[in-house]
Amino acid sequence: GDSVTQTEGLVTLTKGLPVMLNCTYQTTYSPFLFWYVQHLNEAPKLLLKSSTDNKRTEHQGFYATLHKSSSSFHLQKSSVQLSDSALYFCALSDRMGYKLTFGTGTSLLVDP
Amino acid sequence: NAGVIQTPRHKVTGKGQEATLWCEPISGHSAVFWYRQTIVQGLEFLTYFRNQAPIDDSGMPKERFSAQMPNQSHSTLKIQSTQPQDSAVYLCASSSSGGAQAETLYFGSGTRLTVL
Repeated sequence: GDSVTQTEGLVTLTKGLPVMLNCTYQTTYSPFLFWYVQHLNEAPKLLLKSSTDNKRTEHQGFYATLHKSSSSFHLQKSSVQLSDSALYFCALSDRMGYKLTFGTGTSLLVDP
Repeated sequence: NAGVIQTPRHKVTGKGQEATLWCEPISGHSAVFWYRQTIVQGLEFLTYFRNQAPIDDSGMPKERFSAQMPNQSHSTLKIQSTQPQDSAVYLCASSSSGGAQAETLYFGSGTRLTVL
């Protein structure tokens, strides 16, 4: 079946540094990948999404590139801010289109 | 637009009691989803309705969990005879049609269920 792997459970960084959160996936069909962000006590919200191979997708300073050759969709930002502290989920849409398979999430903690 | 509304925000039940969780999707959205969130498993799909009809309940524990959508403005998730392992945050989400692979899910803030 489909699966999404996020290898880091917790990432702690100092404000202003770059970050990369890892996401790899397994599927037998053409993938559609998402990043959702969940701030403390809030609802998860879509950050960005893509199905186009080797094309960079950007939103709110975050960016990711889907690489089908390596089954990866890593999330990056060049300079993290305190407000970026949150839980980040990578997700894969199934071939039916409606069911998302989520990774276990990566908590990003940004220190002053 | 108030977004997806879930009530209650927190619920504490004793082992063996029943818990009913409520969800009001975004007006005009025809698809409603339920997910369960735990630290260990992350977000797990439970069930999905489109135009109020149950489409996929493959993630639902069969014996004690049930979900309904009696009208387009609300859905309920009922857990009978709650067990400590049911403790989790239950998230409801809606989307405009539920049939497109690229469609965005709009989540509620969730109900945190604690079973003592």
